[in-house]
Amino acid sequence: NAGVTQTPKFQVLKTGQSMTLQCAQDMNHNSMYWYRQDPGMGLRLIYYSASEGTTDKGEVPNGYNVSRLNKREFSLRLESAAPSQTSVYFCASSARDGYTFGSGTRLTVV
Amino acid sequence: GEDVEQSLFLSVREGDSSVINCTYTDSSSTYLYWYKQEPGAGLQLLTYIFSNMDMKQDQRLTVLLNKKDKHLSLRIADTQTGDSAIYFCAVRNSGGYNKLIFGAGTRLAVHP
Repeated sequence: NAGVTQTPKFQVLKTGQSMTLQCAQDMNHNSMYWYRQDPGMGLRLIYYSASEGTTDKGEVPNGYNVSRLNKREFSLRLESAAPSQTSVYFCASSARDGYTFGSGTRLTVV
Repeated sequence: GEDVEQSLFLSVREGDSSVINCTYTDSSSTYLYWYKQEPGAGLQLLTYIFSNMDMKQDQRLTVLLNKKDKHLSLRIADTQTGDSAIYFCAVRNSGGYNKLIFGAGTRLAVHP
């Protein structure tokens, strides 16, 4: 099925550990995004990539890095996880008529 | 920057109409969207409207846009229990490439 695939779906990290969240889309979209979702705060943009080879900071980039590996893949890395990064992370890609979201990664940092 | 606001909770009786409201600050927003999120799932695009339109209807969904007041609403006719979810309003930020700014979401509860 066409869409956005995120892995893993769930992850528990200890404070200070690192990990990479993977995202791939097969819709040939140029733009890709990483959001985090916290209760009562909606979705906040972490980083985005307007096209292959470019990345830009969003609203809440601190503590994260991204890589736009190719047109299909956009990864999010936490170098040293903190409890404040406990959240649900969504990857998305976009065309004019809206975003297509992945199913999310639920990350808990203890 | 752009700000998008929604009320956090709405409760309706099954079969009634639901109206979810949203206000935004960027008058140059070009596309405005409604997304639905069911528990444990990602966001699903319900509908969108261009800023040069006042209304868009799609089966049970009606979107109204008041550009003067920067107000967007989503009306769901004949609300069903399957409509229980969180509904997000989002606007395309004119200052950034295709970036969407989301409201906090309105949790719709449908009761018998």
